Amino acid sequence: RKEVEQDPGPFNVPEGATVAFNCTYSNSASQSFFWYRQDCRKEPKLLMSVYSSGNEDGRFTAQLNRASQYISLLIRDSKLSDSATYLCVVNKWGYQKVTFGTGTKLQVIP
Amino acid sequence: GAVVSQHPSRVICKSGTSVKIECRSLDFQATTMFWYRQFPKQSLMLMATSNEGSKATYEQGVEKDKFLINHASLTLSTLTVTSAHPEDSSFYICSAMTTGGDGSAATGELFFGEGSRLTVL
Repeated sequence: RKEVEQDPGPFNVPEGATVAFNCTYSNSASQSFFWYRQDCRKEPKLLMSVYSSGNEDGRFTAQLNRASQYISLLIRDSKLSDSATYLCVVNKWGYQKVTFGTGTKLQVIP
Repeated sequence: GAVVSQHPSRVICKSGTSVKIECRSLDFQATTMFWYRQFPKQSLMLMATSNEGSKATYEQGVEKDKFLINHASLTLSTLTVTSAHPEDSSFYICSAMTTGGDGSAATGELFFGEGSRLTVL
C-alpha cells in the first residue's frame, strides 16, 4: 500500500460545481498535512495547510480525519482557473519525512 | 512566505555532459532540501533528501553517482546530473523546509523552487 494515495482523476466538472478530493495516508504518526496545487509545467504551490479542526479559505475547505487517516479538499463554485493537479502532502515532522500523493487532476469545463 | 530560488530554469545540453542545478533558500535556513523529478504528465518523484553537511539520502532506484547532491550550506543545495543522456531530460524541482532555527516558524510546509527543465540532446 502506498504511504499516501490519491485518485489520479481526471475529475471533469462544469463551472460552478462543487468537487471534493480525498487523500488517504498510512502512517498514523504523520503530523502535518497540506494541499498543494500544481499547474502544468510549473512547480507546486501551497494551497492550504490542513488542521485538525478543519479550515476554510474562500471557496476551499480542507479537513483532516485522523481516525480514518484521510484528508479532504472541497472546492465550491469551481472556476476555470481551478483546473490543475492537486497534491496531497503528508509530513512526519521531526524525521523530515515528507510524502506526496500522485496528485488528482481537476479539469473545470465551461 | 519563504522563497526558494532554483537556477537555471531551463538548460539544454549535449549527451555526455554534466549539468549543475542550484537551489537556494533566500530568506530562511534550510537544513533539509528535497530534489524531485517529474516527467511529462506524471507525478512528482522524490529523488533524494539533501541534508546540510552530510550525505544525501537517495530514494530506491536513483543512482547516487549519476545524480550528485551537495548541500554545503544552510541556504544552498546543488544537484549535478553527470554524463547526461536524453532519458535524463525532465523537470527537476527542489524544495526546502523551514527549520525554525533562524526565527522562522517551523510548520513542516515545503517551499518549492521554480523548477529546472533539462533537455539532453
